[in-house]
Amino acid sequence: TQLLEQSPQFLSIQEGENLTVYCNSSSVFSSLQWYRQEPGEGPVLLVTVVTGGEVKKLKRLTFQFGDARKDSSLHITAAQPGDTGLYLCAGAETSYDKVIFGPGTSLSVIP
Amino acid sequence: EPEVTQTPSHQVTQMGQEVILRCVPISNHLYFYWYRQILGQKVEFLVSFYNNEISEKSEIFDDQFSVERPDGSNFTLKIRSTKLEDSAMYFCASSDGQGPALFFGSGTQLSVL
Repeated sequence: TQLLEQSPQFLSIQEGENLTVYCNSSSVFSSLQWYRQEPGEGPVLLVTVVTGGEVKKLKRLTFQFGDARKDSSLHITAAQPGDTGLYLCAGAETSYDKVIFGPGTSLSVIP
Repeated sequence: EPEVTQTPSHQVTQMGQEVILRCVPISNHLYFYWYRQILGQKVEFLVSFYNNEISEKSEIFDDQFSVERPDGSNFTLKIRSTKLEDSAMYFCASSDGQGPALFFGSGTQLSVL
């Protein structure tokens, strides 16, 4: 059974600080995705990483896929209150396979 | 921008009743999914659907659940006899199959009393 773990579970930081959240698995995935979910809404895709060692940047967000394709990290620089939300990592074995989700990291950025 | 739409946004039902949750996926997408999220828990896969048939389902998706694409636009999830533990947010998602990226609707909050 594929499982994704995320850490930390909760994170509360001051505006302007940097942070990193982690996603780990014992399984190899063909790709990992990061989603952001706000209360009462569906997850919204931020990025997909497919190549081991790949780094992608999306404004102040930097995503990295581990060399072995079992883990990923999300780094946010100079966090803003608008970054508050639940950050979910998700993995798929193939392009057509089901996507499974980790439990999420709940981020709160305090003004 | 194209989006996945779900109706209703909230559904309250009595235990044992049938419910149908409706979704309109993005029009050129070929793969469709239902996920659920119990309050405070993670997003769980229920079922995937492609080419008018179920391609994969989870252990949660038992005989009480069914999916259908009755026409070219709608994708429905039916729960025949709801249980208290079916209370959750149900998300529909679709994909164009070019990659694993999923596009989610805003969900239907199902409350079984």
